[in-house]
Amino acid sequence: ILNVEQSPQSLHVQEGDSTNFTCSFPSSNFYALHWYRWETAKSPEALFVMTLNGDEKKKGRISATLNTKEGYSYLYIKGSQPEDSATYLCAFKDSSYKLIFGSGTRLLVRP
Amino acid sequence: DVKVTQSSRYLVKRTGEKVFLECVQDMDHENMFWYRQDPGLGLRLIYFSYDVKMKEKGDIPEGYSVSREKKERFSLILESASTNQTSMYLCASSYRTGLGHGYTFGSGTRLTVV
Repeated sequence: ILNVEQSPQSLHVQEGDSTNFTCSFPSSNFYALHWYRWETAKSPEALFVMTLNGDEKKKGRISATLNTKEGYSYLYIKGSQPEDSATYLCAFKDSSYKLIFGSGTRLLVRP
Repeated sequence: DVKVTQSSRYLVKRTGEKVFLECVQDMDHENMFWYRQDPGLGLRLIYFSYDVKMKEKGDIPEGYSVSREKKERFSLILESASTNQTSMYLCASSYRTGLGHGYTFGSGTRLTVV
């Protein structure tokens, strides 16, 4: 059974703090690594899809890095804002159609 | 705006009832998926379909079946609802190859079985 682990499970930060979380995944048979943001009462929204070792992606204040050889990805948020409060999910894709999700990191940004 | 639409946001059903959860996408995606989400667990794949009338079991198919008669519609069926099927159900779709594309999710159906 493939295992995708995210840490920490939850995180409380003050507005303006920068933060990061980790996603660990199998280092073999890698196809892609997805990051999603899931706000309460909304649909999960794709942030990044990363396919190459060493990939770095950026969207506004959010960025992500990928290391497929050692099986981890980091998501960074610079200068957190209350609207960044959400659950951040990562998901590992191998050669099958399936996307295996981690249990998520719940971020709460206090004003 | 592209969309995945799930028919109900909240649903309450009785034990033993047959339950249908409907999902429709307007993006001409080949792949469609049903996940359930429970506290402390990641999204777990129930079933997926990569073409009309095609279906594959995911990681937790027991107690569920699916139907995909048209490309845009993927239905999840709980044959005889049980309390342990109380959960948030999410539908998603993607392009066939989908390597560089994220999934598009519906907003979820929170099902309570009493």
